[in-house]
Amino acid sequence: GDSVTQMEGPVTLSEEAFLTINCTYTATGYPSLFWYVQYPGEGLQLLLKATKADDKGSNKGFEATYRKETTSFHLEKGSVQVSDSAVYFCALKRGGNNRLAFGKGNQVVVIP
Amino acid sequence: GAGVSQSPRYKVAKRGQDVALRCDPISGHVSLFWYQQALGQGPEFLTYFQNEAQLDKSGLPSDRFFAERPEGSVSTLKIQRTQQEDSAVYLCASSAKGTSGGGGVYNEQFFGPGTRLTVL
Repeated sequence: GDSVTQMEGPVTLSEEAFLTINCTYTATGYPSLFWYVQYPGEGLQLLLKATKADDKGSNKGFEATYRKETTSFHLEKGSVQVSDSAVYFCALKRGGNNRLAFGKGNQVVVIP
Repeated sequence: GAGVSQSPRYKVAKRGQDVALRCDPISGHVSLFWYQQALGQGPEFLTYFQNEAQLDKSGLPSDRFFAERPEGSVSTLKIQRTQQEDSAVYLCASSAKGTSGGGGVYNEQFFGPGTRLTVL
């Protein structure tokens, strides 16, 4: 079945550092890909999305490019802030099926 | 606010008890989803409603889990004879439209804060 794999473990980095969170997927066909973010005490929020190969999703300084050849959708931000501390989930949705399949998530802690 | 709300936010149950978790979606949203999120894991799909019709319940882990949305608005997830492995955060999400039928613009899912269920 469709699945998403995220890199293991939390990510701790200093303010203004470069952030990368890896995400790879397994799916038949051409899924839409998403990054969701969960800030402390809040619900999941859509951060960005890409619906076809080579699309780049971007929001709040975060970017991710849909790479069909490597089945990847890595999340990047050039200069993180303390307010970016949250849990980040990669997810996919395939075709007309409305269900989302999520990765395990990565906790990001940004230290001042 | 106008977001998805869930109640209760926290529920502690003794093993064997029945529980009912409520979801109030965004007003007018056609689609409603339930997900289960175990500790340290990503959300896992449970079931999907389009208005009052339960179109997909393939993610429900056992026949102890039951969901309903009788008037196409509020939904209740019921777990009978709770077990320790049911301990998780239960997330509800709603989206404005129904099944796209394949392709088309993404129909964003808006998530509630979740109900944390602990079964002792």
